[in-house]
Amino acid sequence: AQTVTQSQPEMSVQEAETVTLSCTYDTSESDYYLFWYKQPPSRQMILVIRQEAYKQQNATENRFSVNFQKAAKSFSLKISDSQLGDAAMYFCAYRGRGGNTYTGNQFYFGTGTSLTVIP
Amino acid sequence: DAGITQSPRHKVTETGTPVTLRCHQTENHRYMYWYRQDPGHGLRLIHYSYGVKDTDKGEVSDGYSVSRSKTEDFLLTLESATSSQTSVYFCAISGSGRAETEAFFGQGTRLTVV
Repeated sequence: AQTVTQSQPEMSVQEAETVTLSCTYDTSESDYYLFWYKQPPSRQMILVIRQEAYKQQNATENRFSVNFQKAAKSFSLKISDSQLGDAAMYFCAYRGRGGNTYTGNQFYFGTGTSLTVIP
Repeated sequence: DAGITQSPRHKVTETGTPVTLRCHQTENHRYMYWYRQDPGHGLRLIHYSYGVKDTDKGEVSDGYSVSRSKTEDFLLTLESATSSQTSVYFCAISGSGRAETEAFFGQGTRLTVV
């Protein structure tokens, strides 16, 4: 099974500053998807950003961007101009290309990084 | 927002009693998943379904069973609840096309076994 590792259980950032959350994964597949999810105190899981492995260009969504290093199996999330509303638990997730094989359509999650934003 | 709802949202039950959690979707997505979330463990897959009556075990399936008799409903049953099953449970759905790769989550169910 694929594994996803988030080595930073907790991170903090000053409001308006930039922070980078780390994620590494292990896979033998060449085509797959990577995600960052945000979980605020409300408990709702919210998709932040998605990356398709066959695309070399790093995904961006407003203040959120990723640094996808396929050879290194690294997928970090950069949050620019941090806001108080960014405070949450962040999960990195992997999904294989799958096709019609059901096992390839599972999601694997890291253990999460708790982000605190300091006013 | 994706149409996925979980019920109940909160439940307290006694050790040894059966418990069923329900996940309902209106998106007609093929894949449905049950996860549990515990501090320090992230989200761990309990069971998943890749079609009506097609299910398989995840990494923490012991003590749980599932059923999917309709595309829209995925039930998680704790046959005899134990305190170790106190957790937050999430249902998720996803499609199979390249444009449907992400998981959409329900609101979660906080289950306490006393």
